[in-house]
Amino acid sequence: KQEVTQIPAALSVPEGENLVLNCSFTDSAIYNLQWFRQDPGKGLTSLLLIQSSQREQTSGRLNASLDKSSGRSTLYIAASQPGDSATYLCAVTKEASGSRLTFGEGTQLTVNP
Amino acid sequence: KAGVTQTPRYLIKTRGQQVTLSCSPISGHRSVSWYQQTPGQGLQFLFEYFSETQRNKGNFPGRFSGRQFSNSRSEMNVSTLELGDSALYLCASSLLTAQETQYFGPGTRLLVL
Repeated sequence: KQEVTQIPAALSVPEGENLVLNCSFTDSAIYNLQWFRQDPGKGLTSLLLIQSSQREQTSGRLNASLDKSSGRSTLYIAASQPGDSATYLCAVTKEASGSRLTFGEGTQLTVNP
Repeated sequence: KAGVTQTPRYLIKTRGQQVTLSCSPISGHRSVSWYQQTPGQGLQFLFEYFSETQRNKGNFPGRFSGRQFSNSRSEMNVSTLELGDSALYLCASSLLTAQETQYFGPGTRLLVL
């Protein structure tokens, strides 16, 4: 059974810091990995999608890497801003299950002005 | 292009009642997935529909059901509500398969009393 773990569960940083969020998954047979952010009481916003054949994806101040063989992904946020405060979730799609996203528990990020 | 919409946004029901939630995907998207989010269990996959057919199903009891219409709009139904069904129900759509970027709606918050 695929399990996804995110560390740390919560993170508080001052504005301007660069930070790294971690995601690990137990079954390396994934099709892709996605990073989402969720604001309190809201739905999920897709940030980055990495196919299993890719090593990283970048969008603005965000960079996500994927090491499929070791079952790890990181989300790097450069020059953090208070508006980045949210819960960040990673999710994997297994080749066998096709459509199902298996989510981690999330990292709650607070960026202090 | 309008995003994924879900109605209603909030709902209060009592135990034993049934409820129907609606999801309208992004125009042109044919895959619709449903997820349940609770503080204790996190995000869990309910089911996925494509071209009016259920393509994948999570580990939920038969009280949870869904359907998709020819215009790709989807509904999910929960019969005989239990207190534990209180959750945020999220709908996600993607173009053809859920192995592409999935776009989430704002969710329907269901409270069962």
